[in-house]
Amino acid sequence: ELKVEQNPLFLSMQEGKNYTIYCNYSTTSDRLYWYRQDPGKSLESLFVLLSNGAVKQEGRLMASLDTKARLSTLHITAAVHDLSATYFCAVDGGGSNYKLTFGKGTLLTVNP
Amino acid sequence: DADVTQTPRNRITKTGKRIMLECSQTKGHDRMYWYRQDPGLGLRLIYYSFDVKDINKGEISDGYSVSRQAQAKFSLSLESAIPNQTALYFCATSGGEINQPQHFGDGTRLSIL
Repeated sequence: ELKVEQNPLFLSMQEGKNYTIYCNYSTTSDRLYWYRQDPGKSLESLFVLLSNGAVKQEGRLMASLDTKARLSTLHITAAVHDLSATYFCAVDGGGSNYKLTFGKGTLLTVNP
Repeated sequence: DADVTQTPRNRITKTGKRIMLECSQTKGHDRMYWYRQDPGLGLRLIYYSFDVKDINKGEISDGYSVSRQAQAKFSLSLESAIPNQTALYFCATSGGEINQPQHFGDGTRLSIL
């Protein structure tokens, strides 16, 4: 059974600081997705990572995937208040099912 | 118009009632999914469907049933609602291409008293 673990679950940052969210998973996969959720809203796709060593960047967020370590990271550079949200990683266990197993999410609060 | 539409957006009901949550999509995707979100637990898969003749149980299917009425419609039913089914429910779709993420509806907030 695929398990996905995110840490930290809660992250309070000051504006301008850098930090990394970690996503570990238990079985081999090279399909990993990052989503953002604002309070009371739907999930918005951020990144799709499909191979070992994949790196994607959008603005102040950068995601990477190490399939050998079964680890993905979401790095935040020079945080701003608008990045406050819950961030989820989700792993596809492979095959043609396209089923996702989600981590519990990281609630990020960026303070002025 | 939203690509994935969930109705109702909010629902309050009583224990023992039958409830149906509906999802329709205009994306032309074959794959549709129902998830449940509880605070601190992330999203958990309830059921998924690859076409109108294919229904599969997810991680937490007990107490739920689904119907895929058409390629574009996927409904989730709670036959006899209980309070611990109070949650935020999301429908999602996928075109079956791994480079495309699942696309989520706006959610249905369900409260069972």
